[in-house]
Amino acid sequence: EPEVTQTPSHQVTQMGQEVILRCVPISNHLYFYWYRQILGQKVEFLVSFYNNEISEKSEIFDDQFSVERPDGSNFTLKIRSTKLEDSAMYFCASSGTRGNQETQYFGPGTRLLVL
Amino acid sequence: AQRVTQPEKLLSVFKGAPVELKCNYSYSGSPELFWYVQYSRQRLQLLLRHISRESIKGFTADLNKGETSFHLKKPFAQEEDSAMYYCALQTGANNLFFGTGTRLTVIP
Repeated sequence: EPEVTQTPSHQVTQMGQEVILRCVPISNHLYFYWYRQILGQKVEFLVSFYNNEISEKSEIFDDQFSVERPDGSNFTLKIRSTKLEDSAMYFCASSGTRGNQETQYFGPGTRLLVL
Repeated sequence: AQRVTQPEKLLSVFKGAPVELKCNYSYSGSPELFWYVQYSRQRLQLLLRHISRESIKGFTADLNKGETSFHLKKPFAQEEDSAMYYCALQTGANNLFFGTGTRLTVIP
């Protein structure tokens, strides 16, 4: 069964550095998402992406963040100038169509630690 | 604004006992609700969705619009049910809003 993959599984970075988190969605999916989960807190929506542009973004997704689909398979989340509070688990998800009840398939996550 | 509330962070039941994980929601639109599960060292995965009205691994959940609830139930808990359970609300934009999750432990 196809799965969403994410790399790296763990990343440690210094505050102020840029990080790029990578995701490979399920190949025939059209909609892509990033969520994050700060330790001990709930999973929070960051951004959704369709047709090479952002569909929706939360208030968390400020100018520090950007997403890109640089080629036909990868979907990346870039965090410029990381802050301590960016430390979290970042999940990528993809879904086939925009219809209601369309299942989102999640990747295993990237654990980001900002020192 | 939408909100999903799971009042129990931790829930322990004995094997064979019934289990109910509570979820309440607040949303001005027509709610689309899901339960996701995360087993130890595994990814988040869909358990069930309200529109399907299905039973998965013995779990069921009924949407009660009057009480704005979507509680997850299973009549006889099994050890392999031990996991983190998240209730989630999907908005019209297709984004998921999660509750804080309930960690279920089934005691042998």
